[in-house]
Amino acid sequence: QKEVEQDPGPLSVPEGAIVSLNCTYSNSAFQYFMWYRQYSRKGPELLMYTYSSGNKEDGRFTAQVDKSSKYISLFIRDSQPSDSATYLCAMIMDSNYQLIWGAGTKLIIKP
Amino acid sequence: EAGVVQSPRYKIIEKKQPVAFWCNPISGHNTLYWYRQNLGQGPELLIRYENEEAVDDSQLPKDRFSAERLKGVDSTLKIQPAELGDSAVYLCASSLGHFEGNIQYFGAGTRLSVL
Repeated sequence: QKEVEQDPGPLSVPEGAIVSLNCTYSNSAFQYFMWYRQYSRKGPELLMYTYSSGNKEDGRFTAQVDKSSKYISLFIRDSQPSDSATYLCAMIMDSNYQLIWGAGTKLIIKP
Repeated sequence: EAGVVQSPRYKIIEKKQPVAFWCNPISGHNTLYWYRQNLGQGPELLIRYENEEAVDDSQLPKDRFSAERLKGVDSTLKIQPAELGDSAVYLCASSLGHFEGNIQYFGAGTRLSVL
């Protein structure tokens, strides 16, 4: 079993829909939770990060962490075709440098 | 502020040939990482530098891969000789260190095709 599980998709939704992307993890020592967006032929771009549990909002994006369930989510409101990309979750222990990655979910927003 | 810069963006070589990738991290970032990313997967760490010291190279295939970061800024990753299975995207990332959870910022990557 992988430390971080993420459905690879693809997830296809119409423009304007609310998108929910999720990861589950097994190691309770993870403290920082990141979401990266990766466009085709580009490197991962940090979208948001959250420390420990709770929510964080940035524009149309909301990240949620539920440490009791070992489950993290990224919500995208009013989705746009430009949001079409692969979204990777990653997490890190407080005392460690090593990012543990999900495999990424490919998201397609249809105009 | 400039992000992590990598070159070249693309490289096509024949197997058994050498290849080198270059990375310039974000100014002030002491920690530098090289990753390899295969299609449909998350990045896989190859090596991590703290300034000029390679502090974790446990995942680097040392028979054919080498890396250096001579002055604690720019870094190069070399493969010699390349094999077909080395085709992947090679990513460089940098971070401030053990601050804010060591948030890592990535370059655009070098896409390597070995024929």
